[in-house]
Amino acid sequence: DVKVTQSSRYLVKRTGEKVFLECVQDMDHENMFWYRQDPGLGLRLIYFSYDVKMKEKGDIPEGYSVSREKKERFSLILESASTNQTSMYLCASSPSDRGNYGYTFGSGTRLTVV
Amino acid sequence: TQLLEQSPQFLSIQEGENLTVYCNSSSVFSSLQWYRQEPGEGPVLLVTVVTGGEVKKLKRLTFQFGDARKDSSLHITAAQPGDTGLYLCAGEGGNQFYFGTGTSLTVIP
Repeated sequence: DVKVTQSSRYLVKRTGEKVFLECVQDMDHENMFWYRQDPGLGLRLIYFSYDVKMKEKGDIPEGYSVSREKKERFSLILESASTNQTSMYLCASSPSDRGNYGYTFGSGTRLTVV
Repeated sequence: TQLLEQSPQFLSIQEGENLTVYCNSSSVFSSLQWYRQEPGEGPVLLVTVVTGGEVKKLKRLTFQFGDARKDSSLHITAAQPGDTGLYLCAGEGGNQFYFGTGTSLTVIP
């Protein structure tokens, strides 16, 4: 069964910590995405990548960075965690023809920054 | 950012009832997708519609893409408790999909 795996389901971090969220897909997809999901705001795109070592800013990149050293792995980094980054983080992947096949999402990481 | 507004935001109905949820935008999309998300999980793709006016059926679910490709609807016939979840529409524009804020559906047995 093909899937997107996020390394942690729940995380609690302290303000100012550097946080790494890992995402791995086993479908050989070209595209990978990081979203955050907040009540009333829906899914907002943080960063995306169409190829290894390539990254593009989404709608809300401030306070985040990403790394894609291998095709199957896309990491989201919170350089200095803040309480307003408490959220559900969703990783997704898609083939280059995303219009037909859509996104495959991971189960999410619920991050709490205290 | 291209906005997709979904209505209603919350919906609670009895098992066996019919319902329709809406996804509206002022932007034109090359394709539109519907996802369902269950608590504690990521969204799962239900359907993709591409052509204006297109209608697709998935068992008791009927999806329609507006003629101008700016809006879409999801109709569920004889809702079941297993239909409970957050329904998200997503429109393809440029190099990404833009997601609506979702409709949270609860079907009461």
